[in-house]
Amino acid sequence: AQSVTQPDARVTVSEGASLQLRCKYSYSGTPYLFWYVQYPRQGLQLLLKYYSGDPVVQGVNGFEAEFIKSNSSFHLRKASVHWSDSAVYFCAVSSSSGSWQLIFGSGTQLTVMP
Amino acid sequence: AQTIHQWPVAEIKAVGSPLSLGCTIKGKSSPNLYWYWQATGGTLQQLFYSITVGQVESVVQLNLSASRPKDDQFILSTEKLLLSHSGFYLCAWSLDRANTEVFFGKGTRLTVV
Repeated sequence: AQSVTQPDARVTVSEGASLQLRCKYSYSGTPYLFWYVQYPRQGLQLLLKYYSGDPVVQGVNGFEAEFIKSNSSFHLRKASVHWSDSAVYFCAVSSSSGSWQLIFGSGTQLTVMP
Repeated sequence: AQTIHQWPVAEIKAVGSPLSLGCTIKGKSSPNLYWYWQATGGTLQQLFYSITVGQVESVVQLNLSASRPKDDQFILSTEKLLLSHSGFYLCAWSLDRANTEVFFGKGTRLTVV
């Protein structure tokens, strides 16, 4: 069965520090991988997505993620965080063969301290 | 540009009362439509999806139902609310079955008391 694990429920970093949010997935086929961000009382916004090709994908606002197939991971990174990056981040996976299902991880609450 | 509108923004309802939440997508023809539920502080659980008018598939059973009366409209409802129905309901749309890009509405906050 497909699943997504985000092992860190909460992460706190100082403004200007680098960031890595972890994501591991379990999927037997070829996955499509996503990172979404949710600001308080808002819907979700897509940060970046990976289908194939270059395993490092760039997203909005300086975020990037690296697909490591051997480790079943898709960690999110940012070189220097800003206080406005404080939000909940969700990793998600869907099937390349198509199943109309998008499976989300439990989310990581990021707090950026000024 | 495509827009997705959910209504109401928030609801406080009594246990046992009926519920109807709505979602309208403008600017896209024949989108795939989805309902997601998010418990407070929790992850998102896909509830239903619809690929065409009048056809809705259930993903999980939560004593809720969904309907798609028009191409651009998706309704979530129940006859009797439970306390466990509280949470954040998100409507979303995509253009392909692999969900290569899914767009979410701003959500409805439901509190069942």
